[in-house]
Amino acid sequence: SAVISQKPSRDICQRGTSLTIQCQVDSQVTMMFWYRQQPGQSLTLIATANQGSEATYESGFVIDKFPISRPNLTFSTLTVSNMSPEDSSIYLCSVAGYHTDTQYFGPGTRLTVL
Amino acid sequence: AQTVTQSQPEMSVQEAETVTLSCTYDTSESDYYLFWYKQPPSRQMILVIRQEAYKQQNATENRFSVNFQKAAKSFSLKISDSQLGDAAMYFCAFRGSGAGSYQLTFGKGTKLSVIP
Repeated sequence: SAVISQKPSRDICQRGTSLTIQCQVDSQVTMMFWYRQQPGQSLTLIATANQGSEATYESGFVIDKFPISRPNLTFSTLTVSNMSPEDSSIYLCSVAGYHTDTQYFGPGTRLTVL
Repeated sequence: AQTVTQSQPEMSVQEAETVTLSCTYDTSESDYYLFWYKQPPSRQMILVIRQEAYKQQNATENRFSVNFQKAAKSFSLKISDSQLGDAAMYFCAFRGSGAGSYQLTFGKGTKLSVIP
């Protein structure tokens, strides 16, 4: 499986600011995804990061709040914009190959918004 | 839409004993994939085991095995010879096989404690 890293691993931010989370993979992958895990909850898919085109967002998530970039096959960023305490969560990226049914996850970013 | 249900919010097991975590799902698809992921306090999601629905044979990975009952839509995880390092949240997940069906649907998780 691919080695996936995320930066930062954790951050504490002030209300109204924005944070960009990076996801880097050590090999080219077809699919990259961003998930949110609210405290004590399961994972919810935010969007699929598409290389060279706009991300595909799930219901309840919008580009203005969670802009995503994917400039190549090994890197993606998720920005959490205009943060509020309700955005305090773990954000995880995951990857999968085109012919692979399995997703592998990065170590996650723990975000606390004050 | 698919749903995944884990009915046991918490479980505990004595070290070296065996424990079974339950998972049921609901889908109208005939071909799909099922997964168990482990999330220790470090928060990284680690793949434990995967099952392809078209395979009748239950998947096994060392001390981890599943009991896949397709007709009953049940996918339980058995951990044998439990170790302290098995303590974690365990999530059951479903993925369809159709074109564009990349999304994982997760259950709410089961917190497993291992008692020394």
